[in-house]
Amino acid sequence: AQTVTQSQPEMSVQEAETVTLSCTYDTSESDYYLFWYKQPPSRQMILVIRQEAYKQQNATENRFSVNFQKAAKSFSLKISDSQLGDAAMYFCAYFGNEKLTFGTGTRLTIIP
Amino acid sequence: GAVVSQHPSWVICKSGTSVKIECRSLDFQATTMFWYRQFPKQSLMLMATSNEGSKATYEQGVEKDKFLINHASLTLSTLTVTSAHPEDSSFYICSASGGSGPYNEQFFGPGTRLTVL
Repeated sequence: AQTVTQSQPEMSVQEAETVTLSCTYDTSESDYYLFWYKQPPSRQMILVIRQEAYKQQNATENRFSVNFQKAAKSFSLKISDSQLGDAAMYFCAYFGNEKLTFGTGTRLTIIP
Repeated sequence: GAVVSQHPSWVICKSGTSVKIECRSLDFQATTMFWYRQFPKQSLMLMATSNEGSKATYEQGVEKDKFLINHASLTLSTLTVTSAHPEDSSFYICSASGGSGPYNEQFFGPGTRLTVL
């Protein structure tokens, strides 16, 4: 079974600074998808960024980028120019065998 | 992005009663719908996957007779918690996806908070 590990239960960053959230996963598959989701206090899950495993180029979405290391099974999220609205729970997720497996989450606090 | 709604957004019920939660895809046809459960300060755990017109596939450890899932149309799936007990109190989230590719993005509903007294 696939597992997703987020080793940082909580992180904080000063507004306008950069923060990196870590994620590792375990799989025997070669083709899969990885995601970062944001869950604000409203509890609505919001897709932040997506990475296809067959693509070597790291995905980028505005201030959000990933560092995908396939051999190391690592998938970290970098948030640049952090904003107050970035405060939320962030979940790393793996899609394989037709289902999403989520990590335990990292609570990100933005310090004004 | 596509919109998925859930109803109700919160529900309180007495122990032993049944509760139905609806999940609707508002602007696309959802060939597959997923039901997740999220306990406080924990992650989302997949309960079951349902394809329109087929029986749901339940994850290991999820009681199919307790959590009845129906996906009767391409826009509606329902989760019925039968004979609910306090330990069933949780946040239930559905997601929906369409298409037939290797991966079809899941769009999440806003969730339903169930409290069983």
